[in-house]
Amino acid sequence: GQNIDQPTEMTATEGAIVQINCTYQTSGFNGLFWYQQHAGEAPTFLSYNVLDGLEEKGRFSSFLSRSKGYSYLLLKELQMKDSASYLCAVAGFQKLVFGTGTRLLVSP
Amino acid sequence: IAGITQAPTSQILAAGRRMTLRCTQDMRHNAMYWYRQDLGLGLRLIHYSNTAGTTGKGEVPDGYSVSRANTDDFPLTLASAVPSQTSVYFCASRSGTGVGNEQFFGPGTRLTVL
Repeated sequence: GQNIDQPTEMTATEGAIVQINCTYQTSGFNGLFWYQQHAGEAPTFLSYNVLDGLEEKGRFSSFLSRSKGYSYLLLKELQMKDSASYLCAVAGFQKLVFGTGTRLLVSP
Repeated sequence: IAGITQAPTSQILAAGRRMTLRCTQDMRHNAMYWYRQDLGLGLRLIHYSNTAGTTGKGEVPDGYSVSRANTDDFPLTLASAVPSQTSVYFCASRSGTGVGNEQFFGPGTRLTVL
């Protein structure tokens, strides 16, 4: 089976940096995805990590440690539009298993 | 416009009725998925299809059926709806055979079963 944990909710201030953690226990691992989902909308792809280390893409970075079963999504220079839910998903054999998501609220 | 479309956008349904949620993609993706999203439970996989003509069960398949007659369409059917099937349903597709390829999501169908 697979167990994925991420915080339910986080708050941060515009311009700040926030780190959203995700821990997982899986029977099979083929990489880890992060998706962003604004309220009432579909999830959209942010990042994919399959090897250990940091992947940087603009203001967003994602880190993976396979030995620790741990990932984080780092958001820099927060903007109001970054208020959304962030979903961590582990790729198993042919399927994704999603965590329950972290709701991020960015305030002025 | 390339992407995934779902219909209807929203629906209110009486318990016991049959309902088919439609999903169509024009990206020629091999793999397609149906998820339901409920508050506090996240996205859960209902059924999936790796290629036309094949389907498989996900985490929560009971009460749902799917078919994949061609590459583009992947309808989800509730044979006899129950209130616990009230949810937001997302269809997704993925290109290629590698699980590392991202999934693209449709806009969702909000279903209420009374």
